[in-house]
Amino acid sequence: QVQLQQWGAGLLKPSETLSLSCGVFGGSLSGNYWTWVRQSPGKGLEWIAEINHVGNTNYNPSLKSRVTISIDTAKNQFSLKLSSVTAADTAVYYCARSGSGGYYCDSWGQGTLVTVSS
Amino acid sequence: EVVMTQSPATLSVSPGEGATLSCRASQSVNSDLAWYQQKPGQAPRLLIYGASTRATGIPARFSGSGSGTEFTLTISSLQSEDFATYYCQQYNNWPPLTFGGGTKVDIK
Repeated sequence: QVQLQQWGAGLLKPSETLSLSCGVFGGSLSGNYWTWVRQSPGKGLEWIAEINHVGNTNYNPSLKSRVTISIDTAKNQFSLKLSSVTAADTAVYYCARSGSGGYYCDSWGQGTLVTVSS
Repeated sequence: EVVMTQSPATLSVSPGEGATLSCRASQSVNSDLAWYQQKPGQAPRLLIYGASTRATGIPARFSGSGSGTEFTLTISSLQSEDFATYYCQQYNNWPPLTFGGGTKVDIK
């Protein structure tokens, strides 16, 4: 049973860059896509981006200009960077596993609350 | 972008009763529809994929149906642990993958 454990800074100032990572335990990065989803009171669940073990990526067009997703197969983890954050980026961010590109998520991390405030 | 609309926003049900939750897509997503359950302070949990296939370990009281633009999640007899918020998600037309706004099932 794969487990995802995520970490990263929870309090940012406007214009800073959000940086989160997600470690994958009990399974390999191969054969799946690895996803970031966020949840804010105003917008519900929002899919951000996904990546597979060879670095193929897909992004939400609404966030693409500010998002970088990356993967480190040696460390069995993947990461999210979101630049130029504003209060609208305040949300709980989840990492998750998808069986394929553009698919449903069958395993999720515990979530990280990221608050953007001056 | 495919817009997913869930109804009702809140559903009040007595334990032991059944519940029917609806999800509508703004265009056809065939059967590429998943349902998730989320409890406060927890991550979403996959219940149903392919519109009607239960995920591993999901009790048989949860069932999904529908195709195209209209989908239903049915909980046959609500247990105490079923009171939660439920989300649908389409994965047919992407990016982006999109979720519905959720239906909260609370105790009547």
